[in-house]
Amino acid sequence: AQSVSQHNHHVILSEAASLELGCNYSYGGTVNLFWYVQYPGQHLQLLLKYFSGDPLVKGIKGFEAEFIKSKFSFNLRKPSVQWSDTAEYFCAVMGYSSASKIIFGSGTRLSIRP
Amino acid sequence: DGGITQSPKYLFRKEGQNVTLSCEQNLNHDAMYWYRQDPGQGLRLIYYSQIVNDFQKGDIAEGYSVSREKKESFPLTVTSAQKNPTAFYLCASSIQGHGATEAFFGQGTRLTVV
Repeated sequence: AQSVSQHNHHVILSEAASLELGCNYSYGGTVNLFWYVQYPGQHLQLLLKYFSGDPLVKGIKGFEAEFIKSKFSFNLRKPSVQWSDTAEYFCAVMGYSSASKIIFGSGTRLSIRP
Repeated sequence: DGGITQSPKYLFRKEGQNVTLSCEQNLNHDAMYWYRQDPGQGLRLIYYSQIVNDFQKGDIAEGYSVSREKKESFPLTVTSAQKNPTAFYLCASSIQGHGATEAFFGQGTRLTVV
């Protein structure tokens, strides 16, 4: 069965600090991986995705994530956060088969102190 | 423009009543999903469908029902059997298998039981 764990429920950082949000998944096969962001009062937006190839993927707004297959992880990073990054972040996994569903983690709320 | 339309944006229901949430997509996606979003619990999968006239239960299907009579439509009925229906409901669609994409989301419907 597919599952996703996000271990950080609420992260508080100051502006310009570096960010790393953890995401681990469980699935017995090839996966597609995603990070979504939900800004206050807005709908879900895709930050970045991994389908194949280079395990280090770059997304919008300076975010990147690294797929480490041996650790079943897809952590999200940003070298220097801004106040506007305040949002909730969701990791998601889709098993690579025609019968797969997309499963989301419980989310990490990121608060940035100006 | 292509996208996913959910209606209504806000919905109020009396206890004991069934209510149906609409989801329409014009992206020509085969797969469609319904998620429920509650604070601190992320997005939990209610039902998903990969093809017309077929759908599968997600992790929290009890008290919900769906239909998929047309490729572009995937309505969700919240029945009176759902014990805690007040929540934010999100519909999504994607391409799966070969040429898979991320999930594209609608704007959501906020259901309140009064």
